Amino acid sequence: AQSVTQPDIHITVSEGASLELRCNYSYGATPYLFWYVQSPGQGLQLLLKYFSGDTLVQGIKGFEAEFKRSQSSFNLRKPSVHWSDAAEYFCAVGAAGGGNKLTFGTGTQLKVEL
Amino acid sequence: SAVISQKPSRDICQRGTSLTIQCQVDSQVTMMFWYRQQPGQSLTLIATANQGSEATYESGFVIDKFPISRPNLTFSTLTVSNMSPEDSSIYLCSVYGTGNHYGYTFGSGTRLTVV
Repeated sequence: AQSVTQPDIHITVSEGASLELRCNYSYGATPYLFWYVQSPGQGLQLLLKYFSGDTLVQGIKGFEAEFKRSQSSFNLRKPSVHWSDAAEYFCAVGAAGGGNKLTFGTGTQLKVEL
Repeated sequence: SAVISQKPSRDICQRGTSLTIQCQVDSQVTMMFWYRQQPGQSLTLIATANQGSEATYESGFVIDKFPISRPNLTFSTLTVSNMSPEDSSIYLCSVYGTGNHYGYTFGSGTRLTVV
């Protein structure tokens, strides 16, 4: 069965500092990997996704993520955080080929200090 | 990417009643999914809405409690039946379509409070 672990429940960073959110997945074959962001009272917005090819994926809002098969990881990074990045971030895994259910991690709540 | 309209955006309901949530997509999509997000929790898949056939439910979710319809490729409903306070959650519709660059798009959710 597929699963996702986000080890950090809460993270606080200063505005302008770099950010890395961790995500480890368990899946028996080639996974599809996603990062979503959820602001309070909002739905989920896709930041980026990995299907195949280049293991460094660029997303919206200046985010990027790197797929590391050997470590079963898909960590999200941003070189300089903005106060508006404060939100909850979810990593998700799905079966290759698409059209299958996504399994979500428990989320990481990001707080940005001014 | 596909645009999803989910209604209602929020509701407060009495226990023992039912609420039907609608999910309308602006284009035909292959797959539609319903998720539940309990307060402070992550998302859990309730079921996959199949066009023209019965929905496929995940372990722990049953059709009598969460009946789902999908009459065509752009519309689905989820009903939360015989509600109790434990059903207070955000319910989200999600779609997958190959025309969506193989992406999964989410609606803005329905915030349900059962009193």
